[in-house]
Amino acid sequence: DAGVIQSPRHEVTEMGQEVTLRCKPISGHDYLFWYRQTMMRGLELLIYFNNNVPIDDSGMPEDRFSAKMPNASFSTLKIQPSEPRDSAVYFCASSLAGMTAFFGQGTRLTVV
Amino acid sequence: GQQVMQIPQYQHVQEGEDFTTYCNSSTTLSNIQWYKQRPGGHPVFLIQLVKSGEVKKQKRLTFQFGEAKKNSSLHITATQTTDVGTYFCWDNYGQNFVFGPGTRLSVLP
Repeated sequence: DAGVIQSPRHEVTEMGQEVTLRCKPISGHDYLFWYRQTMMRGLELLIYFNNNVPIDDSGMPEDRFSAKMPNASFSTLKIQPSEPRDSAVYFCASSLAGMTAFFGQGTRLTVV
Repeated sequence: GQQVMQIPQYQHVQEGEDFTTYCNSSTTLSNIQWYKQRPGGHPVFLIQLVKSGEVKKQKRLTFQFGEAKKNSSLHITATQTTDVGTYFCWDNYGQNFVFGPGTRLSVLP
């Protein structure tokens, strides 16, 4: 298995634009997590899915953020409209039964 | 709510010195996991502790789970430059999936 795959690896966008981050979890894993990492706030859990169903989205900063998991092999995190304070590294991770988390390489987002 | 704290926030050591980071929870943990993130990289799983008082070793790394299952420690003996990175504990108790803030280790050659 290639592991968790995220795209793009880097994204630079202008304030106000829509940004979509993508994630392909490890096949067979039933949990998918979206984390955001900044120097100030560390690793923050934004949302997680279990069997494609969103379970806890209390970490999503505001309505500008949305996440979907249309099937077991794909998830997206969308920011619309983006703001400079959204600049961070966004990680997707997957897990079997909520145990060991396997992380993707991350997407470094810069909003200018 | 569930809080996971780690100390210290930063640690600078000379190569060859020992290093310890501590993870403390406000509630009892069902298990604790440790991850390492190299600079510019992503968190990578190191180990999981489940039992009260459990001690596990991986070469120069020693992991311990407290008797009350509310704290854990990671000890590195004789640090090397390859140990540089941030060490996180991860709690998935009650499906919280909360990472501690991490301890950033720098090793001076």
